[in-house]
Amino acid sequence: NAGVTQTPKFRILKIGQSMTLQCAQDMNHNYMYWYRQDPGMGLKLIYYSVGAGITDKGEVPNGYNVSRSTTEDFPLRLELAAPSQTSVYFCASSYGQGGGTTDTQYFGPGTRLTVL
Amino acid sequence: AQSVTQPDIHITVSEGASLELRCNYSYGATPYLFWYVQSPGQGLQLLLKYFSGDTLVQGIKGFEAEFKRSQSSFNLRKPSVHWSDAAEYFCAVGGYNTDKLIFGTGTRLQVFP
Repeated sequence: NAGVTQTPKFRILKIGQSMTLQCAQDMNHNYMYWYRQDPGMGLKLIYYSVGAGITDKGEVPNGYNVSRSTTEDFPLRLELAAPSQTSVYFCASSYGQGGGTTDTQYFGPGTRLTVL
Repeated sequence: AQSVTQPDIHITVSEGASLELRCNYSYGATPYLFWYVQSPGQGLQLLLKYFSGDTLVQGIKGFEAEFKRSQSSFNLRKPSVHWSDAAEYFCAVGGYNTDKLIFGTGTRLQVFP
């Protein structure tokens, strides 16, 4: 099992550009999450999904969009990049059988994004 | 409001010394509590979790944590720290009625030889 994979590892964007951060898991997990990590701020939930076709906002969704067309993939879209979106982005997944927070979340290695 | 507080931003210990990382939570229902570790440049890995039962839980890498409801705390401990324990540690809270975890701001552990 590859677990949770994220691409790219690093990316530099100019203000106003758009991009998609890719996330895939091969554990047949129902739940998937996107977090951003800023220094001294911990992890903040951007969006999450409890299954294919179902997504919901987290704590900091503004400026982002997601879709979940398959169980395996959960891409995160930035439409108009802003400097405030400079961060490290983590994707995670969990089985979700007993409710999202009862199962271990497995994290990908992260994507470091800089917006200039 | 639901929140997690890790009051220590940075802790430095000598290798072989004992360790305690503090975590306090605020949660309106029965909390599910977690400790995750993040090595430099890596994603997070679960160390241990508490849902119910014995308030002292054992995790991987020799870590343990104790749930104290009266103090709203879930402190992480290790009797003897190894240099490889240098990392950032995150406490998180969730519950049966939510799909979301709330993370603390983390504690960075530095280990001196």
